[in-house]
Amino acid sequence: AQKITQTQPGMFVQEKEAVTLDCTYDTSDPSYGLFWYKQPSSGEMIFLIYQGSYDQQNATEGRYSLNFQKARKSANLVISASQLGDSAMYFCAIGLNDYKLSFGAGTTVTVRA
Amino acid sequence: DGGITQSPKYLFRKEGQNVTLSCEQNLNHDAMYWYRQDPGQGLRLIYYSQIVNDFQKGDIAEGYSVSREKKESFPLTVTSAQKNPTAFYLCASSFLGSSGRIDEQFFGPGTRLTVL
Repeated sequence: AQKITQTQPGMFVQEKEAVTLDCTYDTSDPSYGLFWYKQPSSGEMIFLIYQGSYDQQNATEGRYSLNFQKARKSANLVISASQLGDSAMYFCAIGLNDYKLSFGAGTTVTVRA
Repeated sequence: DGGITQSPKYLFRKEGQNVTLSCEQNLNHDAMYWYRQDPGQGLRLIYYSQIVNDFQKGDIAEGYSVSREKKESFPLTVTSAQKNPTAFYLCASSFLGSSGRIDEQFFGPGTRLTVL
């Protein structure tokens, strides 16, 4: 079974600075997708960024970028120029060809003014 | 507007009662999913369905039941057999790899269930 590990339960970042959220995964399947979601205090899960296992380049979506190191099985999320609205819980997830997602325990990010 | 709706937002239940959580999507997604989230934790898969009239158990299906009679709807029943049902329940939907990749899941706003 695949597994996602997020080792940082909580992080503080100063407004306008960058923050990196760690995510490591474990799967024996060569074909998979990695996802990052944001969950604000309202509870809704918001999709941020996707990285396919065969993608040659790291994914980027606006201020979000993914540092994908396939050999190390890591997919760290980088949020640049942090804003107060970025304060939320962030989840890493892995999906295989069965279309199910397995989620990590999440990292809480608090942006300070 | 396209999206996923869940109702109710808050639900209170007495012990021993069954309750049904609603989930509807108008995104024309093939697959639908139910997750449970406990405070400070990640999401755990309860049930999922990839086609009408078919569904599969996830990691924590005991004490729950679902139906998929229409493509747009995937209600979840929390039965009295579920020992600790107080949690936040999230419904999601997705395409099935139509774009040549594993498609992202889109989530509803969630239902917060409390057993009194």
